[in-house]
Order: sequence, then C-alpha cells, then structure tokens
Amino acid sequence: AKTTQPISMDSYEGQEVNITCSHNNIATNDYITWYQQFPSQGPRFIIQGYKTKVTNEVASLFIPADRKSSTLSLPRVSLSDTAVYYCLVGEGTGTASKLTFGTGTRLQVTL
Amino acid sequence: ETGVTQSPTHLIKTRGQQVTLRCSSQSGHNTVSWYQQALGQGPQFIFQYYREEENGRGNFPPRFSGLQFPNYSSELNVNALELDDSALYLCASSPRGEDSYNEQFFGPGTRLTVL
Repeated sequence: AKTTQPISMDSYEGQEVNITCSHNNIATNDYITWYQQFPSQGPRFIIQGYKTKVTNEVASLFIPADRKSSTLSLPRVSLSDTAVYYCLVGEGTGTASKLTFGTGTRLQVTL
Repeated sequence: ETGVTQSPTHLIKTRGQQVTLRCSSQSGHNTVSWYQQALGQGPQFIFQYYREEENGRGNFPPRFSGLQFPNYSSELNVNALELDDSALYLCASSPRGEDSYNEQFFGPGTRLTVL
C-alpha cells in the first residue's frame, strides 16, 4: 500500500486540524495507524482503526467505506502539537507484515 | 516499566565497514521491527522479528540482516556500508496479537553517519 499525505499544514492554537492520508492499494486486512514524531525522537502512537470511526482522548480517526483514505482529526490543537504526523498501513494478521509509513505531514501550530 | 532502548545513540562509520545496532524491547513485547529514516523522510520498514524469526521484510538488500534473542532484544546488522545508509535507525516493539495489528512503541533511534 503506497501512502501519501500533504507535506505541511498550518493552524492556529485552539482550531481543529484534519490530516488526510491516501492509501489506494490498502489490503483487506490492513489496519491504519497514526503516529506523531518530534525532532530527534521516535514516532509516538496516536490512534488506530480498521473502518468507520475511532475516537480516543486525543484524536479521532475517520475511515470511509472504501478505506482508500483516512483522516486524522485533532480537536483543539496547541503549540505542543507542532510535529510531523505519519499514517502507517500494515497487515493485521499473518506472517508477512509489511508496514508502510506515509510521506508525513508537518503541522505547524501558532498563536 | 522500561521503554524501548537503543544503542548506540550516534555512530560514525566509513564506506565498506560493517555496523551492529542494538535494541531492547519493552517489557512483555515479543515483536521487534526495524526502520530506516533518512533526513526529512518517513520511516522505511526494514524487517520485523517475532519470537526470534524474521516475520516480514521491506525492500532492503540482504546486507541488512537481523537477529532477535530469547529475551526479545534485537540487533540490526548492516554490511558493506554505503553513503546512502546514513540515516536514523528506529526500533519498535509491540505485543504480538493474533487478530490485530498492534501499537508499536518506538525507541529514540540510532543516528548512523557513513563517510
């Protein structure tokens, strides 16, 4: 599954931010996971889903019926949310795990 | 609970040399994945180990090899280093589940520079 994302996005503090990932070749049993990465650190898990909508304490993930894209929604961003966000598409079961990160979206939050 | 640790933090090698990077997985995790992240790029999947066996591999040549030990720690070995191997190497561990892809916990990475 090849995954593409917008290169960058800008937002003001307190706004809702939606970042979309396109994964046209997603396989039937692939899950979609989103990670956040700060400079010089490893990625950190945000949220994961397979279909429809998933929500946790920090974000929501929207996945349409065809699963060829997904949207990460950050409800009210703060300055500390400035980071690079990656979607990751990977097999849910089986032994041939091939994990593909998206191209990454650099989010800049300002006052 | 100890998180994922990697060593060394930084490493400088010359072309043609060999390098070994190490990773200690988070307690209770039996799956380790390795990624290469070039500057300004997303992580690229190298391979994954589950219970000491390779469980999947990305598009990397055979000179990238690995091991997983009984305590689930892991090594990444790269032979015949090339300039393009300069990158941040990330290790991630996860608890292997039977029916779902599991959250990966990443280490801070090893920055490899090849001169």
